[in-house]
Amino acid sequence: KAGVTQTPRYLIKTRGQQVTLSCSPISGHRSVSWYQQTPGQGLQFLFEYFSETQRNKGNFPGRFSGRQFSNSRSEMNVSTLELGDSALYLCASSLVAESSYNEQFFGPGTRLTVL
Amino acid sequence: DAKTTQPNSMESNEEEPVHLPCNHSTISGTDYIHWYRQLPSQGPEYVIHGLTSNVNNRMASLAIAEDRKSSTLILHRATLRDAAVYYCILRRTNNNDMRFGAGTRLTVKP
Repeated sequence: KAGVTQTPRYLIKTRGQQVTLSCSPISGHRSVSWYQQTPGQGLQFLFEYFSETQRNKGNFPGRFSGRQFSNSRSEMNVSTLELGDSALYLCASSLVAESSYNEQFFGPGTRLTVL
Repeated sequence: DAKTTQPNSMESNEEEPVHLPCNHSTISGTDYIHWYRQLPSQGPEYVIHGLTSNVNNRMASLAIAEDRKSSTLILHRATLRDAAVYYCILRRTNNNDMRFGAGTRLTVKP
């Protein structure tokens, strides 16, 4: 069974640009969550999508947005990039969203560098 | 949100047991205790979870205090491949929002 895949793996952008990251969950998984990881703030929850609807949202500005498609694939978008957005962006999928004990499977992440 | 407190770092010798503590004094009755670990240059991976009773799986054991205000992840025989950052997380019922703390960086010495 293929794991969670994220594309691209590495990305370099300049301030003010926007970026779209993609995540393909494990087949059959309907929940996709996004996290940002930086050396200073650690792993921070961005948002979660289930059945094309955003279910939970972390404490990030509106420049960070996402969506989920009918095949459960998800994208996240960051507009008007700032230097502080440089981070590893991780996507995680899980089978069922309604249980608190569902294991989340993480992808390898997309390393975004903002110059 | 209920928070967790872990030591910043721990060291262990290879093939010895490791006990990684976690304090979660504000845990609510419906919070599950989850442990994930992140190996270098990888995304986090699930280790184990529990609610009230101690749990065992092929990777580790989880010992939960009777008052649930603390828990301990036990690696029975540490290997070099267990060197990672270990995160103790409380997951609210019906919620996939996982709030990671700083975690414990485990170093395993040969």
